[in-house]
Parts: sequence; structure tokens; C-alpha cells
Amino acid sequence: ETGVTQSPTHLIKTRGQQVTLRCSSQSGHNTVSWYQQALGQGPQFIFQYYREEENGRGNFPPRFSGLQFPNYSSELNVNALELDDSALYLCASTLGPGVGEQFFGPGTRLTVL
Amino acid sequence: RKEVEQDPGPFNVPEGATVAFNCTYSNSASQSFFWYRQDCRKEPKLLMSVYSSGNEDGRFTAQLNRASQYISLLIRDSKLSDSATYLCVVRKDTGKLIFGQGTTLQVKP
Repeated sequence: ETGVTQSPTHLIKTRGQQVTLRCSSQSGHNTVSWYQQALGQGPQFIFQYYREEENGRGNFPPRFSGLQFPNYSSELNVNALELDDSALYLCASTLGPGVGEQFFGPGTRLTVL
Repeated sequence: RKEVEQDPGPFNVPEGATVAFNCTYSNSASQSFFWYRQDCRKEPKLLMSVYSSGNEDGRFTAQLNRASQYISLLIRDSKLSDSATYLCVVRKDTGKLIFGQGTTLQVKP
């Protein structure tokens, strides 16, 4: 086990709704990255948080937003859900940006109907 | 064009076979290179880092060719438990990981 946890495990929402996904980083890790993995594709980088600030963002619209808390846990929020948002959402934590291995959590599987 | 490209397969091989996966990347400024393994409906897990000098971990050998922007993974003596998706990954200096689509391997008895 990596020590990175995510909740919930599965989630079903309808188009237009909003969702919040949560991630607890491994002890001692201050950097959390979020990835979206659609079926049959590799994970795609959404954004990274380092010491409570966004530290890089991939090609995702502003309705994807995030937060990092003082204990370095993190949230991913998605507004105005679309069918194409159905995917496995993964978070990964590291000691610092570009430092050491990224340890992934088990993911949250989001289905948008 | 995707920054990291892999043949998605699937590769169907018998137990004991040797199988090779290849990957190309387009950004010469890429910093570090890895192979990850992902089992069905699970999170990716680091298999091994990839270096220009080549590196080996048991039955697995990885190689990086910076001039050709090409990464390879060789699996010898395939086991049933090697069945998974293998993801080629480039890491930027910020820590951002760029994943290929993944190559699916199915090892059959």
C-alpha cells in the first residue's frame, strides 16, 4: 500500500452536477498531483498542488479546480459535469515537485449519466 | 501528435516468451523516464526507471535512447502474472508526469 487514500471509491452523477473528490497524501509528502484516466487511455495531468498553491496545470477547463489543505490533503472539484468527465480520477503524492517517486492512490471512478 | 506514443497492442504471448514494448516521446526537454504497470481497474505502480545506460531488474530490462527519443522495455520469460497494461512515462522537472496510452500484455498458459 502507498499510504495515499482517495474517497469516494465510486461515484455516479448526472450532467450539470458538481462533484468533489478527496485525496490524503502519504505522510511527509507536500505535493499532490491529480490525473484523469479515461477508459483505454493513459492518465492525463490535471494540476499539481504544492504547499497549498497550484503549481502547474494541464489542458483542462476552469470548471476543474482544486484545493490543498495545511495537512497537504487535497480536493478536486468539477463543476457542470459533462458525460466525457466519466473517468478514473487519480491523485499522486510526492516529497516535492519533481522530487522522488509519485505514489498513486487507488482512484475514484466517476460515472456521469 | 501525442507527446508520448505507444502501441496499445494487445500483445498476446505464451508463458516463457520474451516480449518488447517501445515508446517514443516528442519533447527533447523531457527530464526523466519510467515504466509503470497498471492492473485492470487499479492505480499505476512504478515498475522501473529508465536510464541511457540501460537498467535491469530481474526479468525486466529498460533502455533509453535520447538521440532517437525512444524508450524500450523487454520482459524475458513471461509469467501469467505479467499480464497488465504497461505505461511509458516522461517526467518534467516540475514533477508533471506525461503518460503514453499504455500497452496491454496478455500472457497465456
